[in-house]
Amino acid sequence: DAGVTQSPTHLIKTRGQQVTLRCSPKSGHDTVSWYQQALGQGPQFIFQYYEEEERQRGNFPDRFSGHQFPNYSSELNVNALLLGDSALYLCASSLGGFGETQYFGPGTRLLVL
Amino acid sequence: SQQGEEDPQALSIQEGENATMNCSYKTSINNLQWYRQNSGRGLVHLILIRSNEREKHSGRLRVTLDTSKKSSSLLITASRAADTASYFCATYQIFSNDYKLSFGAGTTVTVRA
Repeated sequence: DAGVTQSPTHLIKTRGQQVTLRCSPKSGHDTVSWYQQALGQGPQFIFQYYEEEERQRGNFPDRFSGHQFPNYSSELNVNALLLGDSALYLCASSLGGFGETQYFGPGTRLLVL
Repeated sequence: SQQGEEDPQALSIQEGENATMNCSYKTSINNLQWYRQNSGRGLVHLILIRSNEREKHSGRLRVTLDTSKKSSSLLITASRAADTASYFCATYQIFSNDYKLSFGAGTTVTVRA
């Protein structure tokens, strides 16, 4: 049973660039949530995708956008990167939009120089 | 601001000792969850306690919830070196069409051999 997978594992970008992170949910899950975790902090909710739509969003600017595909996989896009976007980006999957228990992927560590 | 706050921020114990960490939150919840994170990688769900439950056990883990004080505690008994990790509490709230899972900043636990 495949768990949540994310790619790439590490990424280095420069300010102003754009980045796309990818996530495949756990088998059977249809809901994907994205979190940003700065060093020494807890994960901060970015947004959630269910039925290929953004269902809810945390306190993040429009530079952060996403997409969910018919196979439930998801992408997180960040435009005009800032130094402060350096963080671990976590994807979590659950079932049915209101999934209480979320299964997290290993994360993508983004460094913006 | 984060819904949950863990205390202490860091904890160092000897192998075999018990580790206790606390979580306080601000608004009413449907359930409270505890997650573990090893070395800045993905989070692993440990235990979920619902708002109408007071205590829950899972292996060497014991979680309590006091909704009147808006607080929870996680006890790890007979700690092992493999328990070295960051532990996060997360509050789960259901709204009319959405849910919200909010994480605290975490407690870093170091188990010394």
